This record gives sequence, structure tokens and C-alpha cells, in this order.
Amino acid sequence: GAVVSQHPSRVICKSGTSVKIECRSLDFQATTMFWYRQFPKKSLMLMATSNEGSKATYEQGVEKDKFLINHASLTLSTLTVTSAHPEDSSFYICSASSQGLQETQYFGPGTRLLVL
Amino acid sequence: AQSVTQLDSHVSVSEGTPVLLRCNYSSSYSPSLFWYVQHPNKGLQLLLKYTSAATLVKGINGFEAEFKKSETSFHLTKPSAHMSDAAEYFCVVSLGGSYIPTFGRGTSLIVHP
Repeated sequence: GAVVSQHPSRVICKSGTSVKIECRSLDFQATTMFWYRQFPKKSLMLMATSNEGSKATYEQGVEKDKFLINHASLTLSTLTVTSAHPEDSSFYICSASSQGLQETQYFGPGTRLLVL
Repeated sequence: AQSVTQLDSHVSVSEGTPVLLRCNYSSSYSPSLFWYVQHPNKGLQLLLKYTSAATLVKGINGFEAEFKKSETSFHLTKPSAHMSDAAEYFCVVSLGGSYIPTFGRGTSLIVHP
């Protein structure tokens, strides 16, 4: 149980375009979802926390107009990278948790974004 | 406030020998503690968690960790390393509720044949 999926697993796009990444909790209702960015050989950097039905809370230094997060239901959150640039290339990972799971985070497999 | 320190950025062992990955934490309240493993280009997989029950926690793939409040530690161990254990390991502390989990910087486990 407690499976989280991400789609797509890899995406290549041109500079200036927007990319949407989906994060789904497959077998539980996620009251909270987290979005992370991971640089090569580095730990995870928390970008934002989202609770279903409310606006996401962004970490300091993360541009909310560039990284749009929507948590429309208890099983789906999306991250849209708007007007992507090469410096946005990274590994993006989501996680989901709920009080019923003792607030353990379950992670998606990640999305590799490459902006040309 | 909470923080977590993974004391080693790299740990190198031979296959079949014991593994010790160290993690120390600080927390104002009783925390929940987690160990995750990440293989290259993959998401994170939960190895084990401590949530105020038994202090010795057994996880998947033969890993276990002991919560020692007096030492504020939550070290991860395994009696015998396998080549497939080579990966990045993250220690995480969480107070739950509205508190955001805090990640350690990660420890890269290298297993030599």
C-alpha cells in the first residue's frame, strides 16, 4: 500500500514552454503533498507544501509564479513549470502523506526535466 | 525547531560486512524519525520509521535502526551488506502536524565486491 505515482517520468522541452507534472496517491487519500527538487548528488530541496483545497505554501526563494502547484483533490497534485529555462532542468520528486499513515511521507519515482 | 545531521557523506564497506550509517537529530518535542533509500534516478523508498513505539525498529531488506533518546541518535545498521544496497540514504525527522519534515544531507553507501 501507500503508492505514489508521477507522470511523466522524463520530459524534454524547449526553453519558454510550460511543463506539467502530475503526482497521484494511488491507494490512499493524501491530505498533504510535498514537491521537492533534487540536484545531482544533493539532498532534496523542499519547494512547496500543498494541502487539498488550499493554496500551496512555498519555501523561501521558490518563485510561486514560476512553479504553479495545484492540489485539486485528495489524490492528485500538479506542478507546472511555466516558461521553463535550462536552469530549471532538474529531478522533481513529489511525496504524499496523511494523518492516517502517521504522517509518513511516501515518495513518487520522480520526474527528470530537461529544458533545451 | 528540528534538525538532522548525517555524520558521513560517504560510507564504504565490503560485501558481507556490517553497515552503519549515522544520524543525529535535535528536536523540541518527541519526533518521528525515518530512513529512506534512493537508488540512482529513482524516487525515495521508505526503509523504516520510528514513531514513539519500540526503540529498535526493523525495516525492509534487513535494515534496522535504534532510537536512542539520550544520545539523540537514530543510526541505521545492517549485519551484512549486499551489492544491491549501494545507494543514497536519507535520515528524516518530523514533528508531525504542521511541521515540515527535515532531511539530512544524505549518505552515499558504497559496497565493494
